Amino acid sequence: GAGVSQSPRYKVAKRGQDVALRCDPISGHVSLFWYQQALGQGPEFLTYFQNEAQLDKSGLPSDRFFAERPEGSVSTLKIQRTQQEDSAVYLCASSLAPAGVPSFGPGTRLTVL
Amino acid sequence: QKEVEQNSGPLSVPEGAIASLNCTYSDRVSQSFFWYRQYSGKSPELIMSIYSNGDKEDGRFTAQLNKASQYVSLLIRDSQPSDSATYLCAVNGNTGGFKTIFGAGTRLFVKA
Repeated sequence: GAGVSQSPRYKVAKRGQDVALRCDPISGHVSLFWYQQALGQGPEFLTYFQNEAQLDKSGLPSDRFFAERPEGSVSTLKIQRTQQEDSAVYLCASSLAPAGVPSFGPGTRLTVL
Repeated sequence: QKEVEQNSGPLSVPEGAIASLNCTYSDRVSQSFFWYRQYSGKSPELIMSIYSNGDKEDGRFTAQLNKASQYVSLLIRDSQPSDSATYLCAVNGNTGGFKTIFGAGTRLFVKA
């Protein structure tokens, strides 16, 4: 079956622009995670949803970052007033169960100029 | 102290040798442990999961877990050049709930 998909795959934004990154998890997966991965680093946790409930947003670096999953499937990560330090790959992962194994999407590479 | 720590490497081993990758974690409550492989420019893919103390083998890969020492390792036997990648240790089921936390990864080079 289809895996986790993300769009766009690449995004270039000018500093100060707002961006929206989309994640389509595997159908039926309860849990959805967003991670930020800087070059040469491991994925850093941003936020976690169980169905439509955002149970943990402790990793969001500032109030410019906002994530939602209104119907418990597709999720959007929004970054307002982008800064150069936001440049990274944003990875989405989903798992069937809360303690299940996350499967990753291909990521969105965001470059802020 | 980071929640999940790994030696960043690079670890270089000759083809056919055993590669040993190590990981420590800080939260004693952690329940699930994963090893992911990440090729350059790609997303992480799961290699192994382990949930109880001891060894778990899958083909050329063996994961080892010691909860008392808060230590997880991955052994790769008969290393191949295609094993060259970054290996990420991840931990779930911790005090913070079900978020999966990753280490920074260890870069492995297998020389032909």
